[in-house]
Amino acid sequence: GIQVEQSPPDLILQEGANSTLRCNFSDSVNNLQWFHQNPWGQLINLFYIPSGTKQNGRLSATTVATERYSLLYISSSQTTDSGVYFCAVETNFGNEKLTFGTGTRLTIIP
Amino acid sequence: SAVISQKPSRDICQRGTSLTIQCQVDSQVTMMFWYRQQPGQSLTLIATANQGSEATYESGFVIDKFPISRPNLTFSTLTVSNMSPEDSSIYLCSVEVTPGEQYFGPGTRLTVT
Repeated sequence: GIQVEQSPPDLILQEGANSTLRCNFSDSVNNLQWFHQNPWGQLINLFYIPSGTKQNGRLSATTVATERYSLLYISSSQTTDSGVYFCAVETNFGNEKLTFGTGTRLTIIP
Repeated sequence: SAVISQKPSRDICQRGTSLTIQCQVDSQVTMMFWYRQQPGQSLTLIATANQGSEATYESGFVIDKFPISRPNLTFSTLTVSNMSPEDSSIYLCSVEVTPGEQYFGPGTRLTVT
């Protein structure tokens, strides 16, 4: 099956810093989502981005499907950004199964 | 988006017992999904639940261990049977409200002692 690797696995930053999280996938995908899992375990939808670039406030994401990667940018980090960030991909149109990446644990220090 | 609730939010159970987790969504959806997240790990799909048919299980998951019901288009249950400490995980349900985009419930945190 498809492999979804995220980097870095862990990231510790000072409040106000910017960061770039990467998601590499080993095969063609039809859909890609980014999630933030907060410290209570809740998965929060950030972006649905099978291709192109989207922005939402301090966050933006870019997916280059032909090169099999996606990037999540976080600017001016806040302590509430702490948690684990996952990308997840759907490989076969219509089966709706998501394969999750390995995750990046982000810690923002005040 | 969708509003998805799960019950219970957490539980501590003894080995050998079973726990049924409920997932309720505020709109009708064709497919519901159940995922497991073991401590410190990513999410793994357990099964896909269609209303009116048997659930489809992923490799490594069997119906006897994780029976699933899907009685209507807004509700599903997952039972974790004959539990062992290795079943300690967060169990999450999800739905696809718009094509290609899934939303997740808040999860059920299970500890087996």
